[in-house]
Amino acid sequence: DTAVSQTPKYLVTQMGNDKSIKCEQNLGHDTMYWYKQDSKKFLKIMFSYNNKELIINETVPNRFSPKSPDKAHLNLHINSLELGDSAVYFCASSQYPAYEQYFGPGTRLTVT
Amino acid sequence: KQEVTQIPAALSVPEGENLVLNCSFTDSAIYNLQWFRQDPGKGLTSLLLIQSSQREQTSGRLNASLDKSSGRSTLYIAASQPGDSATYLCAVSPTGANSKLTFGKGITLSVRP
Repeated sequence: DTAVSQTPKYLVTQMGNDKSIKCEQNLGHDTMYWYKQDSKKFLKIMFSYNNKELIINETVPNRFSPKSPDKAHLNLHINSLELGDSAVYFCASSQYPAYEQYFGPGTRLTVT
Repeated sequence: KQEVTQIPAALSVPEGENLVLNCSFTDSAIYNLQWFRQDPGKGLTSLLLIQSSQREQTSGRLNASLDKSSGRSTLYIAASQPGDSATYLCAVSPTGANSKLTFGKGITLSVRP
């Protein structure tokens, strides 16, 4: 059974489009995260939710909006996509904040 | 602002060698430190997590140590195998139960048969 899953795995779209990436965890964790890994492989946190409440909101453009309908899901919606948004986006979860984090397989977003 | 450094960026060793991967961080006020493995095109797999009050953690051929006061951690891999080839990242979590992990850029390890 996949612990943290993301869909889609690959996403190719044009500039200006709006897209969403979905994440689900079946570990029963309270906390979920979104990370961005850029072309230089540097991994940086974007958002974190605990019990559906936003607890970390890094300096990301407000075109990025996370949504947590329940504890097991954290989706990422991106408006007006730009070339610089091309990256791999990882979802992760942990039992509680600051506990061991488990990562999904990533979504490779390519904006053309 | 916390900064995590992993040097060298890449390492190539022959199979069977014992090796040490280094990680340093600038702010010693950490809650825990986590080592991850990332295979090409894949997500991150958690290897070991060390709480700030601990000195080391072991899992199989892996041993991670933490010296919080000096801002250093090492990941020791015993009897390396080609299957250990991957990128190894360390990440620190700050005190205050803030779950914001700060990552190093990783060390890409290649174990030659």
